[in-house]
Amino acid sequence: GENVEQHPSTLSVQEGDSAVIKCTYSDSASNYFPWYKQELGKRPQLIIDIRSNVGEKKDQRIAVTLNKTAKHFSLHITETQPEDSAVYFCAASMVAGNQFYFGTGTSLTVIP
Amino acid sequence: DSGVTQTPKHLITATGQRVTLRCSPRSGDLSVYWYQQSLDQGLQFLIQYYNGEERAKGNILERFSAQQFPDLHSELNLSSLELGDSALYFCASSVGGSANEKLFFGSGTQLSVL
Repeated sequence: GENVEQHPSTLSVQEGDSAVIKCTYSDSASNYFPWYKQELGKRPQLIIDIRSNVGEKKDQRIAVTLNKTAKHFSLHITETQPEDSAVYFCAASMVAGNQFYFGTGTSLTVIP
Repeated sequence: DSGVTQTPKHLITATGQRVTLRCSPRSGDLSVYWYQQSLDQGLQFLIQYYNGEERAKGNILERFSAQQFPDLHSELNLSSLELGDSALYFCASSVGGSANEKLFFGSGTQLSVL
């Protein structure tokens, strides 16, 4: 089955700086890569997703890049704010698949 | 609000007991997924149902079972509970049966086994 690795496990940045979280996947058939943000004690929320026919996608301060050849994708958060502090999960799935494979999460702390 | 409803929000019970967690998917969604999240852990996939049928199984213990009803709500049954079953249980829903669509999570049920 698919294996998704996520790095780093913890990340601290100063407010206003950028944060980058990276994930790698093992199955070249994976073609859908969502990112979830989970604030303490709350549900994971979809913040951005990308499909394999696209190399990059942006939504305001958040962007995701995908390198199919290297089998990795990254979440970029620019101009970080304290409210960006949360755990971020990446995931991978495929058209013929029947489950999402989640990374182990990155705890992001934005220091005011 | 994701539109996915989970009840109860909190559940406290004793070892050896049995509990039922309930999930109502977003309107129009046919798939329900169940996940377990232990303290400081990731999301462990338990099971998926699509339009009433079991579609995929993850690391679900034999003491756990689930079903999806004709009105598409789902229930996760946990029996012979152990201390280690204490966790946050999420359900999530998506439109179709393929794990290739946007997944929306409920607010979770916090289970504490004492």
